[in-house]
Amino acid sequence: DVKVTQSSRYLVKRTGEKVFLECVQDMDHENMFWYRQDPGLGLRLIYFSYDVKMKEKGDIPEGYSVSREKKERFSLILESASTNQTSMYLCASSSGRLLYNSPLHFGNGTRLTVT
Amino acid sequence: AQTVTQSQPEMSVQEAETVTLSCTYDTSESDYYLFWYKQPPSRQMILVIRQEAYKQQNATENRFSVNFQKAAKSFSLKISDSQLGDAAMYFCAYRSATGGSEKLVFGKGTKLTVNP
Repeated sequence: DVKVTQSSRYLVKRTGEKVFLECVQDMDHENMFWYRQDPGLGLRLIYFSYDVKMKEKGDIPEGYSVSREKKERFSLILESASTNQTSMYLCASSSGRLLYNSPLHFGNGTRLTVT
Repeated sequence: AQTVTQSQPEMSVQEAETVTLSCTYDTSESDYYLFWYKQPPSRQMILVIRQEAYKQQNATENRFSVNFQKAAKSFSLKISDSQLGDAAMYFCAYRSATGGSEKLVFGKGTKLTVNP
């Protein structure tokens, strides 16, 4: 079974702090994603990566950056956390650049609170 | 850009009954994939079922089946013999099969309650 592990289940940070959310997958997947989930808004894509050191902006990249130095690890960085970034963050991975029917495998999510 | 609409924010069903969750999408593409994901209170999103747009036959997975109407751009999920463990948020998602796009577009979700 694919395992996608997010380093923290709950996180509380202060406004202005630099925040790192870590995600590791163990199935050698090419693609990795960061989504943000808010009530009534569903899942919105922040960034994704289809290869090491490659990244593409999703729908809401402002205030975020990402890093993918190794294939199994995809980090989401909040450069200067703000209260409107309080949310649930979901990491996901999938195999194959052009395997369109390949499903996403999700981690358990990190609930981030910025005070 | 593609959009996915789930018009029912909440639904409820009696245990052992059947419930249908609605999903419509907007696209100009002819080749794509559609997915239903389930998110139980434990928070981990799980794939329920997927459908290739080029296939006319509706996908089924045990008690879960879809009604895919390509012309109407509709992709509803039917859960038969509902069980308490089916209680969750359900998300419909769209993925293009052209242009090398990797991302899925999700709807806003439907919260399903199963009453004993």
